[in-house]
Amino acid sequence: GAVVSQHPSWVICKSGTSVKIECRSLDFQATTMFWYRQFPKQSLMLMATSNEGSKATYEQGVEKDKFLINHASLTLSTLTVTSAHPEDSSFYICSAAPPGLAGVTDTQYFGPGTRLTVL
Amino acid sequence: AQSVTQLDSHVSVSEGTPVLLRCNYSSSYSPSLFWYVQHPNKGLQLLLKYTSAATLVKGINGFEAEFKKSETSFHLTKPSAHMSDAAEYFCVCWDNFNKFYFGSGTKLNVKP
Repeated sequence: GAVVSQHPSWVICKSGTSVKIECRSLDFQATTMFWYRQFPKQSLMLMATSNEGSKATYEQGVEKDKFLINHASLTLSTLTVTSAHPEDSSFYICSAAPPGLAGVTDTQYFGPGTRLTVL
Repeated sequence: AQSVTQLDSHVSVSEGTPVLLRCNYSSSYSPSLFWYVQHPNKGLQLLLKYTSAATLVKGINGFEAEFKKSETSFHLTKPSAHMSDAAEYFCVCWDNFNKFYFGSGTKLNVKP
């Protein structure tokens, strides 16, 4: 149980184009989803917290107009990298957290990640 | 403020020998703590979690971790390393509100 998928797993795009990454919780409903970015040989950096039906909360330094997040349903969140540039190349990982007894769970389940390469 | 420190960026052990990956945390609250493993180009897999129940937590693949409040530590151990354990390991702290704090990661190398 608790499977999270991401699509696509790898995408290569030209500079200036936009790329959408999907994150789905396959066997549970996720009230909260998180988007992370991971640079080579580094830890995960939280970009934003996405709550179903409301606006995402972005971490300091993350441009919300560049990284558009939509959490339209309890099983799907999308991250759109707008007008991508080579410096946006990275490994993007989402995680989903099912609701807990107190409303927020303390366990997140990670997707397999999406490698974005911008030429 | 919450923070997580993984004391070793790289650990190298021989197959069949014990594994120790160290993690210290700083938290204003009674934390929930996790260990995740990441294989190359993969997402993170939950190994185990501590949420204020038993201080010795057993996880998957023979891993376990002990929560020591007096030392603010949550070290990950395994009695006997396998080649398949080679990966990167992350210690994570949940602030009991809405945010997870990641350690910088420890890369485990297992020599044959």
